[in-house]
Amino acid sequence: AQRVTQPEKLLSVFKGAPVELKCNYSYSGSPELFWYVQYSRQRLQLLLRHISRESIKGFTADLNKGETSFHLKKPFAQEEDSAMYYCALGGFGNEKLTFGTGTRLTIIP
Amino acid sequence: EAQVTQNPRYLITVTGKKLTVTCSQNMNHEYMSWYRQDPGLGLRQIYYSMNVEVTDKGDVPEGYKVSRKEKRNFPLILESPSPNQTSLYFCASSATGRTNYGYTFGSGTRLTVV
Repeated sequence: AQRVTQPEKLLSVFKGAPVELKCNYSYSGSPELFWYVQYSRQRLQLLLRHISRESIKGFTADLNKGETSFHLKKPFAQEEDSAMYYCALGGFGNEKLTFGTGTRLTIIP
Repeated sequence: EAQVTQNPRYLITVTGKKLTVTCSQNMNHEYMSWYRQDPGLGLRQIYYSMNVEVTDKGDVPEGYKVSRKEKRNFPLILESPSPNQTSLYFCASSATGRTNYGYTFGSGTRLTVV
């Protein structure tokens, strides 16, 4: 079975402070990890894929297979980062994306 | 513009009255899926389809039906809606059955069953 755990339902951070949203996963095969973001009243958008190792809007995430984690980080939070963030897990040859329960990030001005 | 289109955006209905939520994508994607989003539970998969005429159950299929007669359309059918199906529903599509490209999501349908 595949499972994603996002331990924080709510996270508040001051503008300019570093942000880290935690994500841990459980999967027996080769995992594919994603971060999705949902701004207020909007659809979910793909933010990051671990396979592309990219930085989007200043966010990065590194897959740590030893710790089975894929934490999302940003060195300096901005007000427009306030949103709901979902970590998602897929796998090689696996058609299913399993989502975590989400973390609502609020940036305090 | 490449997109997934859901209709309606908002729907209020009464218990037992059959309804259909439509989903259409213009990207020639093979894979389509329905999720429901509930507070504290995140997104849970209802049904998915690998291609035309191929559908399968997700994690929470009870009370729902789907069909995939055409590649672009994947309607979600509630034959006899109940209040516990009040939720925010998202349709998603992906180029292939593999997840490595991620999904493209629709704007969502907020359903209230009274």
